[in-house]
Amino acid sequence: AQTVTQSQPEMSVQEAETVTLSCTYDTSESDYYLFWYKQPPSRQMILVIRQEAYKQQNATENRFSVNFQKAAKSFSLKISDSQLGDAAMYFCAYRSASRGGTASKLTFGTGTRLQVTL
Amino acid sequence: NAGVMQNPRHLVRRRGQEARLRCSPMKGHSHVYWYRQLPEEGLKFMVYLQKENIIDESGMPKERFSAEFPKEGPSILRIQQVVRGDSAAYFCASSEGVRSGNTIYFGEGSWLTVV
Repeated sequence: AQTVTQSQPEMSVQEAETVTLSCTYDTSESDYYLFWYKQPPSRQMILVIRQEAYKQQNATENRFSVNFQKAAKSFSLKISDSQLGDAAMYFCAYRSASRGGTASKLTFGTGTRLQVTL
Repeated sequence: NAGVMQNPRHLVRRRGQEARLRCSPMKGHSHVYWYRQLPEEGLKFMVYLQKENIIDESGMPKERFSAEFPKEGPSILRIQQVVRGDSAAYFCASSEGVRSGNTIYFGEGSWLTVV
């Protein structure tokens, strides 16, 4: 079974600075997808960024980028120019690329709470 | 294009009552997932359904919990004889097609409080 580990329960960053959230995972599969979701105080789950394991290029979405190291099974999220609205819980998630069935579910890490200070 | 719609957003039940949570997937999505989030924890997979079929229920408790996604209407997560430990946020999510690469989109969650 796949597992996702987020070793940082809490992180803090000053506004306009850069912060990196860590995520490692364990899998025997070679093809899969990785995601970062954000959960603000409203508790809604918002997709931040997604990475296909077969792509070597790191995904980027505006101020959000990832450092995907497939051999090390590492998938960190970098937030540049941090804003107060970035304060939230951030969850790393894994999904198998196998077709349908039991592979379709997301496996989540335990989350990292990000505080943004002035 | 409306997102994943869940209702009720908040539900209070006394111990022993039944709780029904509803989920309408995004337009064009035929795959529905239910996740549970206990306080201060991450989301845990419960069940994956397609229209009229349960595909994966490996995360569902063996008793009191059931889920359906009928041909017409929303998906329903049903919890019978609720206990205090069922108090949690229940998230529904949906995706389109059968390819695992399709992104899963979440609703805003339903908060169940058992008193």
